[in-house]
Order: sequence, then structure tokens, then C-alpha cells
Amino acid sequence: GENVEQHPSTLSVQEGDSAVIKCTYSDSASNYFPWYKQELGKRPQLIIDIRSNVGEKKDQRIAVTLNKTAKHFSLHITETQPEDSAVYFCAASIAGYSTLTFGKGTMLLVSP
Amino acid sequence: DTGVSQDPRHKITKRGQNVTFRCDPISEHNRLYWYRQTLGQGPEFLTYFQNEAQLEKSRLLSDRFSAERPKGSFSTLEIQRTEQGDSAMYLCASSHREGPSDEQYFGPGTRLTVT
Repeated sequence: GENVEQHPSTLSVQEGDSAVIKCTYSDSASNYFPWYKQELGKRPQLIIDIRSNVGEKKDQRIAVTLNKTAKHFSLHITETQPEDSAVYFCAASIAGYSTLTFGKGTMLLVSP
Repeated sequence: DTGVSQDPRHKITKRGQNVTFRCDPISEHNRLYWYRQTLGQGPEFLTYFQNEAQLEKSRLLSDRFSAERPKGSFSTLEIQRTEQGDSAMYLCASSHREGPSDEQYFGPGTRLTVT
């Protein structure tokens, strides 16, 4: 089955800096890669996703890149703000089969 | 609130008791998923339904776990003879098959504590 590795497990940045979280996946058939943000005690929230037919997707301060050959994808957050502090999870699946496999998460701390 | 809802939000039970959790998906979503999340880990897939059909249940953790979605709307997850290792957050998510079918939206979860 699919295996998703996520790094780093914790990331501390200063407000205004950029943050990058990286994930690798094992199943070359995976073609859908969402990212979720989970604040303490709250539900995971979908923040951005990418499908294998594109290499990059942006939404304001957030971007995701995908390298299918290397089987890795990354989340980029620019101009970080304290409210970006949360645990971020990457996931992978085969579109239409619905089984999301999650990474172990990255705790992002943005200091003012 | 038109999001995914779960009930109860917290459940404390004694080892050996049975527990049942409920999930109400977003109304137009025909797929419903159950996940388990333990501290410091990502959600772990358990099972999912398309309408009332359970399409994947091999990931249920043991035969003590079962799920139903009898009318294709809300779903229940039951754990029989609970064990301390069952303590975790149980998350429900839903998606719309005909839309961007893989966008799953999560509920707030039910936190289970087995004493």
C-alpha cells in the first residue's frame, strides 16, 4: 500500500519568513495530493491540493509543487503569520478510490 | 452550520463497554469516510461508503469495529468490547463523488477515552 513520509516533524520560523514542508510517497499510481491544516483541538481543514497533471498550484500565500518522477511534493507558505501556526498534514491517494494516506504531520510555529 | 457534524464530541467509557458514534455528512455529499487519529499522527483510514454501500472495510482495525450507513445519509461507527488501545480521535469526512470527488471535508471528531 501507499506510504507517505513527511519532513520536518517540527518547524519554527519568524513571522514574515517562508516555510517549506516536504512529503514523499511510494505508490506511483497516486495522483491526488491534498494538504490539511489542523489547529489544536480542531478538525483538519483542506487548504490546497494538487493533481498529477500539474506541477504547481498557488493560492495567495500558499503553493504546492509536485515532482512525479521523484515522487515528492511540497507545501510552501510565504510571509508567514502567527495564525499559520498549526499542524500540517500531507496526503496521497489515487483519484476516485478515496483512500487518503496521510503523513505524520509537521508542527509549524510562527513566532511574532 | 452546513459542515460535517459528529456526535458525541467526547466519550469516556470503561474497558469492555460498547460505544457508538454518529456522523452527519454535508448534505449533498454521497461519500462518507471514517478515520482514526492518535496523538502525534495523521488520520488513519478505516472505511468508507458511497451512498449506503460500504466500498472498503478491510482497514477496520479489528472485527470489534463496524460501520453502517443504512439510508445513505448519516453513518454510525460502533466499537464493541472497547480496549484502552482504542482511545483516540475518531474523525468522519465526506465528499461528493460527481464533483471534485477527492476533496474530503472533515468533521470535528469524537474523542474516545477508554479507562
